[in-house]
Amino acid sequence: DAGVIQSPRHEVTEMGQEVTLRCKPISGHNSLFWYRQTMMRGLELLIYFNNNVPIDDSGMPEDRFSAKMPNASFSTLKIQPSEPRDSAVYFCASSLTGLQEAFFGQGTRLTVV
Amino acid sequence: DQQVKQNSPSLSVQEGRISILNCDYTNSMFDYFLWYKKYPAEGPTFLISISSIKDKNEDGRFTVFLNKSAKHLSLHIVPSQPGDSAVYFCAAPPYGGATNKLIFGTGTLLAVQP
Repeated sequence: DAGVIQSPRHEVTEMGQEVTLRCKPISGHNSLFWYRQTMMRGLELLIYFNNNVPIDDSGMPEDRFSAKMPNASFSTLKIQPSEPRDSAVYFCASSLTGLQEAFFGQGTRLTVV
Repeated sequence: DQQVKQNSPSLSVQEGRISILNCDYTNSMFDYFLWYKKYPAEGPTFLISISSIKDKNEDGRFTVFLNKSAKHLSLHIVPSQPGDSAVYFCAAPPYGGATNKLIFGTGTLLAVQP
């Protein structure tokens, strides 16, 4: 298995533009997580899906952030409009229900200028 | 209040010596803890875990100790190697929440000097 695949690896965009981050979880995993890593807060959970259904989106910072999981093999995290303070590394992770160990993708480094 | 805290942002040790990374948590109901390791430009990878029914779990050079009364856990790496240089995160599933959702600490950057 190729593991969790995220794209793009790097994204540079101008303030106000829409940004879409993509994730393909490990085949067979039924839980998917979007995390954001910053120096100040470490790894913050943004949203968590189970069986393609959003379970907990309490970590989504603002209405500018949205996430979808249209099927078991694909998820997106969208920021619209983007702001410089959104600059961070965004990780997607997947796991099987009942197992605490989550497998992470390589992340997308987002820079909003 | 459900938090996992790593109060040391960085640690530097000599190759061959012991590295001790610390983590505190706020909720005594946490019952499972994990350590993740992260290299630059990569995602975190699972390293070792411990259940609250134990006070120690060992895997090769890595040992995690849990002190429930102090709400403290630590990761020991013996002997430390330059390849261990990475950011280490401790994590725990929140009490009463989804069983495979994790709360992470802010991480400790370990630098092992040759």
